[in-house]
Amino acid sequence: GENVEQHPSTLSVQEGDSAVIKCTYSDSASNYFPWYKQELGKRPQLIIDIRSNVGEKKDQRIAVTLNKTAKHFSLHITETQPEDSAVYFCAATPMDSSYKLIFGSGTRLLVRP
Amino acid sequence: NAGVTQTPKFRILKIGQSMTLQCTQDMNHNYMYWYRQDPGMGLKLIYYSVGAGITDKGEVPNGYNVSRSTTEDFPLRLELAAPSQTSVYFCASSLPGGGTDTQYFGPGTRLTVL
Repeated sequence: GENVEQHPSTLSVQEGDSAVIKCTYSDSASNYFPWYKQELGKRPQLIIDIRSNVGEKKDQRIAVTLNKTAKHFSLHITETQPEDSAVYFCAATPMDSSYKLIFGSGTRLLVRP
Repeated sequence: NAGVTQTPKFRILKIGQSMTLQCTQDMNHNYMYWYRQDPGMGLKLIYYSVGAGITDKGEVPNGYNVSRSTTEDFPLRLELAAPSQTSVYFCASSLPGGGTDTQYFGPGTRLTVL
């Protein structure tokens, strides 16, 4: 089945710097890759997603890139702000189901003011 | 819309007890999911449903049961609770094919089994 690995597990950056989180997936048939943000004690919320027919997608300070050949995708946050501090999860859809998600283990991002 | 709601917010069970975690969504979503999140870990899919009367196992279904009698409700049943089931449980719903595959999560239920 699908397996999603996420790195790093923790990331500390200075406010204003960029942050990059990387995920690799095992199922070459996966075609949907969302990123969720979870603030402490809150529910996960979708922040951006990308499909396999697109190489990059941007939404203001957030961007996601996808390399299908290498089977990895990355979350880029520019001009980080303290409110970006949270746990970020990547996910991918397994081959046997386009509506199930397999999540990575998460990255705890700390933005130092 | 209230979105996805879950009850209770917190619960402490003794080993061997049973309980039902409730989940309701008012977005008319066909697809619903149950995840568990252990401390410092990601989300693991327990069960999911693609519509009323249809359920299927996810990654970690052992020790749990579900039913889906209506579009709105997707309760999760724990039988014979064990300490390994101590976790935060999230319910989610989505409407694939409606232009987005976004899963909307409920606020979670924090369960402790002692």
